Amino acid sequence: DAKTTQPPSMDCAEGRAANLPCNHSTISGNEYVYWYRQIHSQGPQYIIHGLKNNETNEMASLIITEDRKSSTLILPHATLRDTAVYYCIVSPYTGANSKLTFGKGITLSVRP
Amino acid sequence: GAVVSQHPSWVICKSGTSVKIECRSLDFQATTMFWYRQFPKQSLMLMATSNEGSKATYEQGVEKDKFLINHASLTLSTLTVTSAHPEDSSFYICSARGGLLTRETQYFGPGTRLLVL
Repeated sequence: DAKTTQPPSMDCAEGRAANLPCNHSTISGNEYVYWYRQIHSQGPQYIIHGLKNNETNEMASLIITEDRKSSTLILPHATLRDTAVYYCIVSPYTGANSKLTFGKGITLSVRP
Repeated sequence: GAVVSQHPSWVICKSGTSVKIECRSLDFQATTMFWYRQFPKQSLMLMATSNEGSKATYEQGVEKDKFLINHASLTLSTLTVTSAHPEDSSFYICSARGGLLTRETQYFGPGTRLLVL
């Protein structure tokens, strides 16, 4: 079973920020938070990951709460091409258990 | 950087035949590769993990004699579906991890759609 909980779906207007929440209340100290997205009929695309500090790259920002029990992925200016299923996954960085287990994800619909 | 390719992108075969799918890391050395399967309207399911030069580790419920995985080099892994049946029809996706820039992150291929008639 996936160790994260995400709402099944959300939508936002094009050009606005999309804030995607994720709960991971049982996260272990050595587990990272990863975000991937899957556009229809394609392989998942890596977005961002973090351990405890907030992270930002050219695609998104990742905000992790201080207790690490939840996080938010922020797409600052959503476009129609950001419509996809977004997966929040926790996994150790190394070791035999360092593998990605996908849950159901959250379907983001960006409307014009 | 961190590009993973798969070949073929789609394949149709007759029941009882074997199908081989290739997964390549194009610009990094993949010490670990993963194979997933995804049925329509479902999430990805991990089938197996392979480290270069070692035998693959299969997830519970995945038949190792049916899904043969070879990871003979740092840039290539293959998945062979032996004696394929219609219930094996699915979207097969590989991912790879390794090297200095990609050691923490798995990068996925575009997937191979298999249809068994």
